[in-house]
Amino acid sequence: QLQLQESGPGLVKPSETLSLTCTVSGGSISTPSYYWSWIRQPPAKGLVWIGTISYSGNTYYNPSLKSRVTISVDTSRNHFSLQLSSVTAADTAVYYCARYDYGDHKYFDPWGQGTLVTVSS
Amino acid sequence: EIVLTQSPGTLSLSPGERATLSCRASQSVSSSYLTWYQQKPGQAPRLLIYGASSRATGIPDRFSGSGSGTDFTLTISRLEPEDFAVYSCQQSGSFGQGTRLEIK
Repeated sequence: QLQLQESGPGLVKPSETLSLTCTVSGGSISTPSYYWSWIRQPPAKGLVWIGTISYSGNTYYNPSLKSRVTISVDTSRNHFSLQLSSVTAADTAVYYCARYDYGDHKYFDPWGQGTLVTVSS
Repeated sequence: EIVLTQSPGTLSLSPGERATLSCRASQSVSSSYLTWYQQKPGQAPRLLIYGASSRATGIPDRFSGSGSGTDFTLTISRLEPEDFAVYSCQQSGSFGQGTRLEIK
């Protein structure tokens, strides 16, 4: 059973860079049939897609975040990572990683449990 | 960019009742790419319906999805206590804002 687990600091100072890693277990991140994504959810708000990466490193970003986002993949460690630069309080959210099925139906499944990142000094 | 608008924002019903949730797209989308998720407090979203009408593995048949073009619907035929949650629709990189289904 495929599982994803987010890890990283829960507190980031304004103007700094948020860095998170998603470790994939129970399967290989190098599967050609799937991509790997980051999604966030601000407190009491809806889900926002941040970006997606293929195992070969092709990336796709939300245009509203593109200038600050970098997603990378490390197939040797079976994980992928998110960096979000110049953070502000508006970046406070629960951050989820998820597998993206980009085939016939384009959905996210499964998801990690999520990790709360607070931006505050 | 496609905008997904869900209605109502909050739906108050009793167990045993029928729930009808709406997801409207700002432009016509392929039904193959319309997905519904269920999210309970403190949990990650769970895949419910994909391709507008196909239930994910393990999802009870009281959940059904329908629609095409710009209008899609999630129906829960007879609410169970565990169905009270937030439901979100998704199309590629866009999510709706969610509908909160609460116990009346």
